[in-house]
Amino acid sequence: SQQGEEDPQALSIQEGENATMNCSYKTSINNLQWYRQNSGRGLVHLILIRSNEREKHSGRLRVTLDTSKKSSSLLITASRAADTASYFCALEGGSGNTGKLIFGQGTTLQVKP
Amino acid sequence: DGGITQSPKYLFRKEGQNVTLSCEQNLNHDAMYWYRQDPGQGLRLIYYSQIVNDFQKGDIAEGYSVSREKKESFPLTVTSAQKNPTAFYLCASSIAWGPMNTEAFFGQGTRLTVV
Repeated sequence: SQQGEEDPQALSIQEGENATMNCSYKTSINNLQWYRQNSGRGLVHLILIRSNEREKHSGRLRVTLDTSKKSSSLLITASRAADTASYFCALEGGSGNTGKLIFGQGTTLQVKP
Repeated sequence: DGGITQSPKYLFRKEGQNVTLSCEQNLNHDAMYWYRQDPGQGLRLIYYSQIVNDFQKGDIAEGYSVSREKKESFPLTVTSAQKNPTAFYLCASSIAWGPMNTEAFFGQGTRLTVV
């Protein structure tokens, strides 16, 4: 089944800088979601963008979706040390995946104080 | 508090034994999922359930079994047929099945180690 491919695999930035993570996929989707995981914990939902939407904001998070390029990006502005975590994109729906939530490999973000 | 609870947090199993991981939710969600996560990796779907008394295999179902006798509960059994069961197991639920555009809520995970 399809899976999102995330880029970069790891990202290290200084506090206050912006962090951008990308997710690419291969088939159609109903929506794309971003989740955060602190080490050894469960995942926490950050934002959901539907296939007919192009951009969504939530606090310091900005997500874009380009269905023609089959890609999405997550931007975290003015990063904080507390943003250090792994970030995953998850794809819902699409060919052969109706109702499933399929996760990418994740981007590990380190924000240095 | 509403949420999804996994137990135990840590579990040790001897080779050749079956072991069952618990997942309970009080969110009144129809859909439930089990994922496996290996160190430094993403989540891989083991089984999912759309509704009570129904479940489907995910991408890596071999060596695992599930049941969905109650809406609130979706236990996962790791059988002796699973060759490499040491992993972090995550249970999740969402309001409904299908293209309903809803988020998933996750438990805190169970770390299974074969000794």
